[in-house]
Amino acid sequence: ETGVTQTPRHLVMGMTNKKSLKCEQHLGHNAMYWYKQSAKKPLELMFVYSLEERVENNSVPSRFSPECPNSSHLFLHLHTLQPEDSALYLCASSSGGTGVNEQFFGPGTRLTVL
Amino acid sequence: GEDVEQSLFLSVREGDSSVINCTYTDSSSTYLYWYKQEPGAGLQLLTYIFSNMDMKQDQRLTVLLNKKDKHLSLRIADTQTGDSAIYFCAESFLISSGSARQLTFGSGTQLTVLP
Repeated sequence: ETGVTQTPRHLVMGMTNKKSLKCEQHLGHNAMYWYKQSAKKPLELMFVYSLEERVENNSVPSRFSPECPNSSHLFLHLHTLQPEDSALYLCASSSGGTGVNEQFFGPGTRLTVL
Repeated sequence: GEDVEQSLFLSVREGDSSVINCTYTDSSSTYLYWYKQEPGAGLQLLTYIFSNMDMKQDQRLTVLLNKKDKHLSLRIADTQTGDSAIYFCAESFLISSGSARQLTFGSGTQLTVLP
């Protein structure tokens, strides 16, 4: 139990659906992250929020839309996805700042796009 | 981001030492990390090393850092079956606002421990 929870754990959706992934951290952290993990590829950082403000957006397609309503919650809204978007989506949080900044990961949401 | 490279697979016998290697490209990385991922779980930080250190030891884990060659290694002594997992190295740099660190991960090394 890392203190970061993600729901749902598994999601199957069609290309025309709209769904949302949820992440919650109970660690009092200030920074939250979304990563995409595909088979045989490095983790890809998608978005970074620091103090509820989006500070990085690594050229992610607009069909992925993040939302951070407060420092404990992070959402990833999905719409009109493609089959190549099927992957494990990992959320992480950290204390922020310039120190070690250990990132604590949730268990991920396994997404399958049909 | 910069590329971080690792070999994809490593098999060792239980009780032997495992050495997982990594090369990174961003010489300004202040911290370098080793994360472990077990099946069905997210990543968990195993250890990290500050860039002004050459070595760090933590129980069965030894991290070696060669900044000249941009080479990082993780040695696991007396490897156990419970150590079977995917191991990721990562380098970090501050995001543009300076308020947090961004990690660049390698592809991960699948460690299999044979009985």
